[in-house]
Amino acid sequence: NAGVTQTPKFRVLKTGQSMTLLCAQDMNHEYMYWYRQDPGMGLRLIHYSVGEGTTAKGEVPDGYNVSRLKKQNFLLGLESAAPSQTSVYFCASGEPNTEAFFGQGTRLTVV
Amino acid sequence: RKEVEQDPGPFNVPEGATVAFNCTYSNSASQSFFWYRQDCRKEPKLLMSVYSSGNEDGRFTAQLNRASQYISLLIRDSKLSDSATYLCVVNGVWGAQKLVFGQGTRLTINP
Repeated sequence: NAGVTQTPKFRVLKTGQSMTLLCAQDMNHEYMYWYRQDPGMGLRLIHYSVGEGTTAKGEVPDGYNVSRLKKQNFLLGLESAAPSQTSVYFCASGEPNTEAFFGQGTRLTVV
Repeated sequence: RKEVEQDPGPFNVPEGATVAFNCTYSNSASQSFFWYRQDCRKEPKLLMSVYSSGNEDGRFTAQLNRASQYISLLIRDSKLSDSATYLCVVNGVWGAQKLVFGQGTRLTINP
């Protein structure tokens, strides 16, 4: 019963470093999403994908890149981390017009 | 105007009380609506979907008003375990499929 798995769970980066967050789902869902959650801001959509090989920008895409080379994986990249990217990142997957299932989150701190 | 708006609260109510949340959305063509629950430092989890005819799940009742573009959640006989943040979620239309979250309403049930 893995569902949606995010790797890593926690990470501390120095300003300017790069990293990739991995999201894997085993439910054969078409749609996958990356959100960030900051205090008082709710969840804001960074990028999303409606199928293998597709990606689209969400509400706050700047500073992030994504790839969906395989249907079950959705990667979120930070090329040059900034303190403003300190946040909790959630990945989710789902089918059209149905609910999304979330991973447990990645807590990222950029110092 | 935000796509999805909620009263952030916080709501502090005594155990056993009835509490209601409202949420408004801006896209009249939106097709799917959900309420999620998020516990502190955890991922959001689906509480219930919201259907045009309204739906009930135990102590929880959700309703949709398409004409006024709002959805509501009613919690009856509240329990201490209902303390959480409640997130209103609206799905986009075909061709712009994405999940948009409200900022959440924080609820605390007091003994």
